[in-house]
Amino acid sequence: GQSLEQPSEVTAVEGAIVQINCTYQTSGFYGLSWYQQHDGGAPTFLSYNALDGLEETGRFSSFLSRSDSYGYLLLQELQMKDSASYFCAVRDQASGATNKLIFGTGTLLAVQP
Amino acid sequence: DTAVSQTPKYLVTQMGNDKSIKCEQNLGHDTMYWYKQDSKKFLKIMFSYNNKELIINETVPNRFSPKSPDKAHLNLHINSLELGDSAVYFCASTTRPGRSGANVLTFGAGSRLTVL
Repeated sequence: GQSLEQPSEVTAVEGAIVQINCTYQTSGFYGLSWYQQHDGGAPTFLSYNALDGLEETGRFSSFLSRSDSYGYLLLQELQMKDSASYFCAVRDQASGATNKLIFGTGTLLAVQP
Repeated sequence: DTAVSQTPKYLVTQMGNDKSIKCEQNLGHDTMYWYKQDSKKFLKIMFSYNNKELIINETVPNRFSPKSPDKAHLNLHINSLELGDSAVYFCASTTRPGRSGANVLTFGAGSRLTVL
């Protein structure tokens, strides 16, 4: 089966940098995605890493190490609006359904003034 | 011009009742999903359809029955509702990713079901 573990909560102050980790166990791997979900809202896609290394998109960056089955989301210059839940996700290859996305346990980020 | 729309947004009902949630996407995507998000925010896949064909059916009680009349619509009917069915149900859609491509899901706003 697949499992993705994340810290349940992270707290940081405005302007700071925060890293949200994700460790995964999968029977196949096609890449690691990150989604953001504000309270009461829908999950929205943030980033995707298929290969090892860092992908940068504005204030957000995502890193992947396939040999370590590990990735992280890095949020810089934190703003109050970044307070949300963040989910890592992988495509599940075990069942052969190539478009089955499995989500991690989610990390609630609280940004304080 | 909402991409993925679900109705109703809120649903409060009694145990034992039957209810439906509807979903429509105007993105031209081939694949649609139902996810359940519980009170601990855990997002769990329930079903997936590709061009009206059921391709993913997780270990969901058979009180839950999805229906896809066409590739733009995916509905979820729940019979004999139980307290544990209380959750937010999200519809999502996507195009078929390439081998190394991201499977980017576009989610609807969610339907919060409360069973009393």
